[in-house]
Amino acid sequence: DAGVTQSPTHLIKTRGQQVTLRCSPKSGHDTVSWYQQALGQGPQFIFQYYEEEERQRGNFPDRFSGHQFPNYSSELNVNALLLGDSALYLCASSLTGRRLEDTIYFGEGSWLTVV
Amino acid sequence: DAKTTQPTSMDCAEGRAANLPCNHSTISGNEYVYWYRQIHSQGPQYIIHGLKNNETNEMASLIITEDRKSSTLILPHATLRDTAVYYCIVRVGGTSYDKVIFGPGTSLSVIP
Repeated sequence: DAGVTQSPTHLIKTRGQQVTLRCSPKSGHDTVSWYQQALGQGPQFIFQYYEEEERQRGNFPDRFSGHQFPNYSSELNVNALLLGDSALYLCASSLTGRRLEDTIYFGEGSWLTVV
Repeated sequence: DAKTTQPTSMDCAEGRAANLPCNHSTISGNEYVYWYRQIHSQGPQYIIHGLKNNETNEMASLIITEDRKSSTLILPHATLRDTAVYYCIVRVGGTSYDKVIFGPGTSLSVIP
């Protein structure tokens, strides 16, 4: 049973460019959340997707957008990259979101470096 | 803002029990306490979670106070591989949302 998979694992982008990160949730999960983790800090909640819609968003600008597909996989897009966007981007999957006793699983993350 | 507070760092001797405290004084009745750990900035690894009763699995034990305002994660026999940042989080949610908010966590160093 595959866990949460993310791609790419590492990438380098130039300021002003755009990036797309991908996530496949754990089998049977239908909810995907994205987090940004700067070096030395805890993960910061970006947004969550359920039933192909964004239903919760953290304090991130509109440059951060996402999408969820019918197979529950998800993409995170960041436009007009800034140096401060350099971070580990984590995807987490869960089931429905209404059963708080169900475990949330995280992927290994995508390391983004903006130069 | 995170709903939990934890010590910034702790040390533990190898082979001894590591007891990691967490305060969550504003937790609501239907919110779960979850523990994750993160090694070398890999993805957070699930450890254990609970609502009100103490829980135990193959990795750890979770002790939740009766008033649910604090909890303790216990690693019974710490090894060097347990050196990591440990996050205590409260999972908040309802019928239309579900999220977890991370704090800075506790950096646990297991000493040989």
